[in-house]
Amino acid sequence: AQSVTQLGSHVSVSEGALVLLRCNYSSSVPPYLFWYVQYPNQGLQLLLKYTSAATLVKGINGFEAEFKKSETSFHLTKPSAHMSDAAEYFCAVTANTNAGKSTFGDGTTLTVKP
Amino acid sequence: DGGITQSPKYLFRKEGQNVTLSCEQNLNHDAMYWYRQDPGQGLRLIYYSQIVNDFQKGDIAEGYSVSREKKESFPLTVTSAQKNPTAFYLCASSGFSYNSPLHFGNGTRLTVT
Repeated sequence: AQSVTQLGSHVSVSEGALVLLRCNYSSSVPPYLFWYVQYPNQGLQLLLKYTSAATLVKGINGFEAEFKKSETSFHLTKPSAHMSDAAEYFCAVTANTNAGKSTFGDGTTLTVKP
Repeated sequence: DGGITQSPKYLFRKEGQNVTLSCEQNLNHDAMYWYRQDPGQGLRLIYYSQIVNDFQKGDIAEGYSVSREKKESFPLTVTSAQKNPTAFYLCASSGFSYNSPLHFGNGTRLTVT
């Protein structure tokens, strides 16, 4: 079985501040991990993915995430928030024991204050 | 540009009516998925298909039906048996390998009154 927990349904930061969105996963086999972003009334877009090649993954728009097996975490960070980063962010896990189906966390809404 | 097209963007129906949501992709992906999104609940898998003429139930399939007659198309029917159909519906596709990310359409917001 696989699952994802996103800690904090709402995160608020000031423009220019560090963004940290937390994701912990559970998987009985080595997982593939993804972060997606969703803007209002739109579909989800891929930010970055971890597929075991490197533990620090860089994505689009200056975001990156680090896979920590010992902590079963895949937290998303960005050094300096921009107003355009305000959106909902989803962490997802896929494993080859689940026919490739992704399991999503409940999402974290990021607010950026001017 | 390749992508996934969902139509319509907004859909209104009366209770008791069946309604079909369209999803078309030109990414040449084998797998297609339907998710339901409700506020604060993330995405829940309704149905998925990994190959033409074959599909499997996801976590919340009751009250929904699908077909996969063509690789490019994966329509979802919300039947009158679905007790709470008002939601945002997202269609997605992916390559066949397990590390392939999902590509999403822009969703259909269904309101049933």
